[in-house]
Amino acid sequence: KAGVTQTPRYLIKTRGQQVTLSCSPISGHRSVSWYQQTPGQGLQFLFEYFSETQRNKGNFPGRFSGRQFSNSRSEMNVSTLELGDSALYLCASSSQPGTSGNEQFFGPGTRLTVL
Amino acid sequence: AQSVSQHNHHVILSEAASLELGCNYSYGGTVNLFWYVQYPGQHLQLLLKYFSGDPLVKGIKGFEAEFIKSKFSFNLRKPSVQWSDTAEYFCAVNYGGRRALTFGSGTRLQVQP
Repeated sequence: KAGVTQTPRYLIKTRGQQVTLSCSPISGHRSVSWYQQTPGQGLQFLFEYFSETQRNKGNFPGRFSGRQFSNSRSEMNVSTLELGDSALYLCASSSQPGTSGNEQFFGPGTRLTVL
Repeated sequence: AQSVSQHNHHVILSEAASLELGCNYSYGGTVNLFWYVQYPGQHLQLLLKYFSGDPLVKGIKGFEAEFIKSKFSFNLRKPSVQWSDTAEYFCAVNYGGRRALTFGSGTRLQVQP
């Protein structure tokens, strides 16, 4: 099975711009979660989507949003970029709910640099 | 707020030394526990997980972890490390069956040949 794929892998933007990141989960996985990784704050949960619905949201401002499509692919959007948004954005997918459903498989991430 | 603490930020060992990385989590009812590893230039990979049952769990590459409920701990161990174990290790917890993972700050392990 192919793993979680994320595009683009690297992105450079300037303050005030907006950005959209894409994630394709493992085939058959319907849950997609997003995390932000920075040297200062570590790995922090952004949000989770399952069956095109946001199921859970972390403590991030409203500038961070996401969505999921019927094929389980997900996008996250950050508007009005700030320097502090520079981070590695990780996507993780997991399968149906259940005991094993909580195991998450991570993609390689998108490295966002805000200048 | 729920939190996960990893006590060692940077550990340096020689090959064949034994490893134990500490992880403690805040109380929050039912928990699932994970250890992830991030090798240089690679993405996060699951080492092992605990959902229920035997509190001593074995993972890939000779790693194991012990869940001690009374201490809210889930320490990672390996009897003999190799140079290839050089990586960053993250303890993670999800609460109440929710998928959202709360991560520790990570431990950077450097194994010297």
